Amino acid sequence: AQKITQTQPGMFVQEKEAVTLDCTYDTSDPSYGLFWYKQPSSGEMIFLIYQGSYDQQNATEGRYSLNFQKARKSANLVISASQLGDSAMYFCAMRIEKLTFGTGTRLTIIP
Amino acid sequence: KAGVTQTPRYLIKTRGQQVTLSCSPISGHRSVSWYQQTPGQGLQFLFEYFSETQRNKGNFPGRFSGRQFSNSRSEMNVSTLELGDSALYLCASSSGTGAQETQYFGPGTRLLVL
Repeated sequence: AQKITQTQPGMFVQEKEAVTLDCTYDTSDPSYGLFWYKQPSSGEMIFLIYQGSYDQQNATEGRYSLNFQKARKSANLVISASQLGDSAMYFCAMRIEKLTFGTGTRLTIIP
Repeated sequence: KAGVTQTPRYLIKTRGQQVTLSCSPISGHRSVSWYQQTPGQGLQFLFEYFSETQRNKGNFPGRFSGRQFSNSRSEMNVSTLELGDSALYLCASSSGTGAQETQYFGPGTRLLVL
């Protein structure tokens, strides 16, 4: 069975600071994909970044980077230079046959 | 490219009624998945369709069903609605069904059952 754990229900971060959102996963399958999504209050899930289980380098997309530590089964999202528009729910997800989501972290950026 | 579209965006139904939700995937995408999001249960996978065939199914009762058409558009049906079916229903599309395939989500349909 596959499982995603996000241990931070909520975080408050000062604008312009970097923030790390934690995610650990559990699977015995060697082939999987790890994803991060952002969900603003409007409800739409916005894809941020992807990391494949066989990828050697950490994924980066603009201000987003994924700190992939395979041995520790962690896939933390790092947002550099946070902005007010980053305030939202953030979900970590893993896909093998289907996409399984964590419980999410509510990030609030303080001006 | 246009994104994933879902209709209707909002819906109010009463217990016992049935409802059909529609999802149009990104052009060229052949896989469509459906998810239910509630405050209590979080995001739960309902089912996935690829080329008109159901590939995976989540742990939901038979009242929840779906189908996919030849143009990859998908519909989800919930019969005999219960209060607990009130949720945000999200549809997502991807090119394929592999672990590396990114799913892109639509805006969702908010269903309220009274």
